[in-house]
Amino acid sequence: AQSVTQLDSHVSVSEGTPVLLRCNYSSSYSPSLFWYVQHPNKGLQLLLKYTSAATLVKGINGFEAEFKKSETSFHLTKPSAHMSDAAEYFCVVSESGTYKYIFGTGTRLKVLA
Amino acid sequence: AAGVIQSPRHLIKEKRETATLKCYPIPRHDTVYWYQQGPGQDPQFLISFYEKMQSDKGSIPDRFSAQQFSDYHSELNMSSLELGDSALYFCASSLGLGGNQPQHFGDGTRLSIL
Repeated sequence: AQSVTQLDSHVSVSEGTPVLLRCNYSSSYSPSLFWYVQHPNKGLQLLLKYTSAATLVKGINGFEAEFKKSETSFHLTKPSAHMSDAAEYFCVVSESGTYKYIFGTGTRLKVLA
Repeated sequence: AAGVIQSPRHLIKEKRETATLKCYPIPRHDTVYWYQQGPGQDPQFLISFYEKMQSDKGSIPDRFSAQQFSDYHSELNMSSLELGDSALYFCASSLGLGGNQPQHFGDGTRLSIL
């Protein structure tokens, strides 16, 4: 069975400093992986996706993620945090065959002024 | 660009009542997914439809049913509502089935059971 594990439930960074949100996946197949962001009382917005093309994936709002098969990781990074980045971030794997999403438990990012 | 539209945005019901949630996918999207997100929880898959046929079923209670109509919109029908059904219900749509097709989410319907 496929799964994702988000290693941190909460991350706090200062504005202007780098962001690292960690995600490890478990999959017998080459997975399709996604990062979504959820602001309070809002839907989930797609940040970026990995679907077996380039291992370094660039997304919206300056975010990027690197797929590392040897480490089974798909960590999300951003060079410089902005106050508007404060939100809940979900790492997601698309289950092979059914394509339903399996979500990680989320990481709440707090950005300090 | 057009997004996924869900209605209503908020719904308050009492125990044992029924509720119907609606989802209008992005134009040309033929696949719809429903998810339930409890307070402080990650979204859990309920059910999905591709070309008006059920494509997969997750942790959807027997009290719930759903369908996708000829215009591709979908409705989630919930009966005998319980306090534990209080949650944010998301609909997502995609163009076809496939792991490389990202799902686009609506803003959700917040259902509160009194």
